Amino acid sequence: KQEVTQIPAALSVPEGENLVLNCSFTDSAIYNLQWFRQDPGKGLTSLLLIQSSQREQTSGRLNASLDKSSGRSTLYIAASQPGDSATYLCAAHQAGTALIFGKGTTLSVSS
Amino acid sequence: DTGVSQDPRHKITKRGQNVTFRCDPISEHNRLYWYRQTLGQGPEFLTYFQNEAQLEKSRLLSNRFSAERPKGSFSTLEIQRTEQGDSAMYLCASSPKGEKLFFGSGTQLSVL
Repeated sequence: KQEVTQIPAALSVPEGENLVLNCSFTDSAIYNLQWFRQDPGKGLTSLLLIQSSQREQTSGRLNASLDKSSGRSTLYIAASQPGDSATYLCAAHQAGTALIFGKGTTLSVSS
Repeated sequence: DTGVSQDPRHKITKRGQNVTFRCDPISEHNRLYWYRQTLGQGPEFLTYFQNEAQLEKSRLLSNRFSAERPKGSFSTLEIQRTEQGDSAMYLCASSPKGEKLFFGSGTQLSVL
């Protein structure tokens, strides 16, 4: 059974700092790995999707990497801004099943 | 593309009552998912449909829960005889072919 773990559970940084959020998964037979953002009381917004054959994906200040062999993914946020404050969730997708989510990392960026 | 729509946004009910939520996916998305999320936790998978067929159900989906997707369009999730432990955010998502998921804003259920 796939299990997804995110470390740290919470993170506070000053504006402008670069940061890395970590995600690990137990079953490397994944179809893709997805990163989402969730604002309080809201639904999830898709940030990046990395196919199993890919190593990384970039969108603006966000870069996500995937290492299937070690069961890890990281989300790198460059030059953080207060507007980046939210909960970031990763999810592993195996063929024929639904996404399995981690519990998320709650990020707070202070100005 | 108007996004995934969920109704209602909030529902307060008394224990023992039945509730029904609706999800309208992005048109032409053939996959539709239901998740449940409690405070401080990631979304937990409940069930998913490909077109009108319900292909997978989590063991979290007790016999008090039922989901339908008639004609492969909108979907409903019904909870019978609600319990306080059912209080959560119920999220719906759709995707074109199991790729990127697009989530709705969710229905927040409070069972008193």
